[in-house]
Amino acid sequence: EVQVVESGGGLVKPGGSLRLSCAASGFTFNSYSMNWVRQAPGKGLEWVSSITSSSTYIYYADSVRGRFTISRDNAKNSLDLQMDSLRAEDTAVYYCARVATVRYWYFDLWGRGTLVTVSS
Amino acid sequence: EIVMTQSPVTLSVSPGERATLSCRASQSISTNLAWYQQKPGQSPRLLIFAASTRATDIPARFSGTGSGTEFTLTISSLQSEDFAVYYCQQYNIWPLTFGGGTKVEIK
Repeated sequence: EVQVVESGGGLVKPGGSLRLSCAASGFTFNSYSMNWVRQAPGKGLEWVSSITSSSTYIYYADSVRGRFTISRDNAKNSLDLQMDSLRAEDTAVYYCARVATVRYWYFDLWGRGTLVTVSS
Repeated sequence: EIVMTQSPVTLSVSPGERATLSCRASQSISTNLAWYQQKPGQSPRLLIFAASTRATDIPARFSGTGSGTEFTLTISSLQSEDFAVYYCQQYNIWPLTFGGGTKVEIK
C-alpha cells in the first residue's frame, strides 16, 4: 500500500524541541520531493517546509525558518522535521505530504498527521 | 507571497444541487493551482491539479476551471460524501500557499 505515516507528535513546553518523523512505503521514496504541511486546530492548511528527492533544495516558510530543519534518509525511506524553539503558535497537526511531480509542487499523498501541542 | 482568497467561507447546498467555489490569487499563477477536499478528522485529498485536471479516482462531478488569478471548483450534483472543506493551493511561486478554505455544508 502506498502510504506515509507520521509520528513523534506530543506535548512540549514553549521553547522546547520535538522531532517528527514520516515513514514512507509502497513507492520509490527517493524519486519524490517531500513536504510538511500543518493545520492549527480549527484552522486552514499552512505549508511548512519542502525537500527535494536528493536533498539538493530545501525550502521553509518564513514562520519556521531558523527554528525548523527538514531532512530525509532515502536509505530508510524516512522524512524528518526537527522543531526547535517551539512557540504556542506552532500547535497544529503536522502532515507529511508527497509532491506529485518533479516540477509541480502539489501534494498527491498525505499522511494522517501527528499532533504537536506547545503549551506550558 | 501570493495570497489565495477563497469565497464564500461557507456554502450551504442541498444534495443534488450544484456547488460553485471560488479561489482568487493576488497575482497571476498561470494554471498552477490545486484543489483539495478535507473531511472532518481526515487528511486532505487531492481533487484537481493544473487548475482543471482531475486526480486519480476523482468523480467527474468535480471540475475545475480558470487561469491567471481567478479559479473555480464546481461540484455538479452534490452527494452526501461531498460535504467537506475545500482548499485551493498555488504552486507557481515559493512559498507555496493555500486559501483559507470553503466549507460546503448541507442546506
